[in-house]
Amino acid sequence: QVQLVESGGGVVQPGKSLRLSCVASGVTFSNYGMHWVRQAPGKGLEWVALIYFDGSNKYYADSVKGRFTISRDNSNNTLYLQMKAMRAEDTAVYYCASRTSITVGDGLDIWGQGTMVSVS
Amino acid sequence: SYELTQPPSVSVSPGQTARISCSADALSRQHATWYQQRPGQAPLLILYKDTERPSGIPERFSGSSSGTTVTLTISGVQAEDEADYYCQSADGDGRVFGGGTKLTVL
Repeated sequence: QVQLVESGGGVVQPGKSLRLSCVASGVTFSNYGMHWVRQAPGKGLEWVALIYFDGSNKYYADSVKGRFTISRDNSNNTLYLQMKAMRAEDTAVYYCASRTSITVGDGLDIWGQGTMVSVS
Repeated sequence: SYELTQPPSVSVSPGQTARISCSADALSRQHATWYQQRPGQAPLLILYKDTERPSGIPERFSGSSSGTTVTLTISGVQAEDEADYYCQSADGDGRVFGGGTKLTVL
């Protein structure tokens, strides 16, 4: 059974840092690009970042560029999001997600349950 | 980057047909994906490449595309279909999501 489990969320003060993790199971993690997507309370989905399967390329939303860093450890099936200089507007549920089948095109067919981050 | 525009809300009675649109110039060149998100749950992919349905998604969910607009159609709406629906497309290597549409089943 394919599963993504996020952790690391919590309450953090503005300007501080936090690191999120996402552990994958039931899937060959090193084969797939991985994304972070967030959702502010009562708001819609916002794409945050992508890392290629081998970590060779990383892309960020303008809203987090220069403050957030996406990384991965394929030996431990783990995705990370290092968040620095955090702002109130970073408050959201953070999901890790991936496309495990090329048939779904640009879609994301697996999602974790999310981890809540509050900046206050 | 660009924006995907969805209506904020759609309401239908059980058994009727709901249609949710998603518009952007980029959709004339890019495919769209649709997600269903129930309260407190992660998004669930329900349509990809505008019209394709993953296994396990009921046949009442279908999609269409015309020019710069893609449409999610839910035929014979059921109470369990009440949820938020998001369209999504690609923006280079990144992704862009529509603002979401809340489907209310009256």
